[in-house]
Amino acid sequence: EPEVTQTPSHQVTQMGQEVILRCVPISNHLYFYWYRQILGQKVEFLVSFYNNEISEKSEIFDDQFSVERPDGSNFTLKIRSTKLEDSAMYFCASNQGWGGETQYFGPGTRLLVL
Amino acid sequence: AQRVTQPEKLLSVFKGAPVELKCNYSYSGSPELFWYVQYSRQRLQLLLRHISRESIKGFTADLNKGETSFHLKKPFAQEEDSAMYYCALSSSGTYKYIFGTGTRLKVLA
Repeated sequence: EPEVTQTPSHQVTQMGQEVILRCVPISNHLYFYWYRQILGQKVEFLVSFYNNEISEKSEIFDDQFSVERPDGSNFTLKIRSTKLEDSAMYFCASNQGWGGETQYFGPGTRLLVL
Repeated sequence: AQRVTQPEKLLSVFKGAPVELKCNYSYSGSPELFWYVQYSRQRLQLLLRHISRESIKGFTADLNKGETSFHLKKPFAQEEDSAMYYCALSSSGTYKYIFGTGTRLKVLA
């Protein structure tokens, strides 16, 4: 069964550095998502992406964040200048996109900003 | 504003006992509701969604629009049910999920 994959599984970075988190969505899916979960808190929506553009973003997704689909398979989340509070688990998800359809999640990337 | 509430952070039950994980939502329209499960060190996996009305691994959940609830139930808990359970809502006009804070279920031998 196809699965969403994410790399790396863990990333440690210094405050102020740029990080790129990578995701490979399920191949025939059209909608892609990033969520994050700060330790001990709920999973929060960051951004959704369709047809090579952002379709929706949350208040968390400020100018420090960007997403890209650089080729036909990868979907990336970039944080330009990381802050301590960006430390979290970042989940990628994908689906066909019609309302109410199941989203399939990747295993997550744990980001630690020192 | 749309909100999902899972009032219990931790629920401990004995093996063979019934389980009910509570989920209440706040949304004025017709929501799509989901239960996701996360076993230790694994990804979030769909357990069930209200639109399909099926039973997965013995779990069921009924949408009660009057009480704005989507509680997850299982008549006889198994040790392998121990996991983190998240209730999620998707509203019309958007594809994002809004998650509850999750309930950790521990099934004791």
